[in-house]
Amino acid sequence: EIVLTQSPGTLSLSPGERATLSCRASQSVSSSYLAWYQQKPGQAPRLLIYGASSRATGIPDRFSGSGSGTDFTLTISRLEPEDFAVYYCQQYGSSPPSTFGQGTKVEIK
Amino acid sequence: EVQLVQSGAEVKKPGESLKISCKGSGFNFNNHWIGWVRQVPGKGLEWMGVMHPDDSDSRYNPSFRGQVTFSADKSTSTAYLQWGSLKASDTAIYYCAKSFDTYYADAFDIWGPVTMVTVS
Repeated sequence: EIVLTQSPGTLSLSPGERATLSCRASQSVSSSYLAWYQQKPGQAPRLLIYGASSRATGIPDRFSGSGSGTDFTLTISRLEPEDFAVYYCQQYGSSPPSTFGQGTKVEIK
Repeated sequence: EVQLVQSGAEVKKPGESLKISCKGSGFNFNNHWIGWVRQVPGKGLEWMGVMHPDDSDSRYNPSFRGQVTFSADKSTSTAYLQWGSLKASDTAIYYCAKSFDTYYADAFDIWGPVTMVTVS
């Protein structure tokens, strides 16, 4: 089973700032099968990025994903008020089981 | 609109059985894998497994195999998650989710709503 470790656990930033979230895998993620999700309190997760760098339908271009192998990054270029949430990475190249990281909370500073 | 609608919150006693449902609409239900994800309140996401409604082919997370059963009724575009004997540790939020493409190893692009199962 591939273990995903996200860092930092919490990111305290102000609106307008850049957010950089990391997701590191215990083994190489095949074919860059890595996704990022956003989850707000009381809501289901929302797919942001799939295939490590492709934005899902309707996702603003301030969200971008990069990386390959074992190191992946989600970048939010300029934080909007609605971007403060918890973000999860998921690998689905080695499945079953697919696995999720433990999450990074982006909070308002 | 592409959506998944789940049955409502449940409160059960330990040892009872439970079957929750997930009805898809707005897409070809039988062409996509339907997954189940568990989230203990305040904690992270756990991938339980996926099932293909067309032939009921299922891939379970070993951590959940034998604890839950996936099934589907393709005539009504509905997937099910079932427990034979609930434990207090099954208390969690359960999401169903649709595979982005048609492969079992895939991201989930559409999620059902929060469905809380409480065993007490």
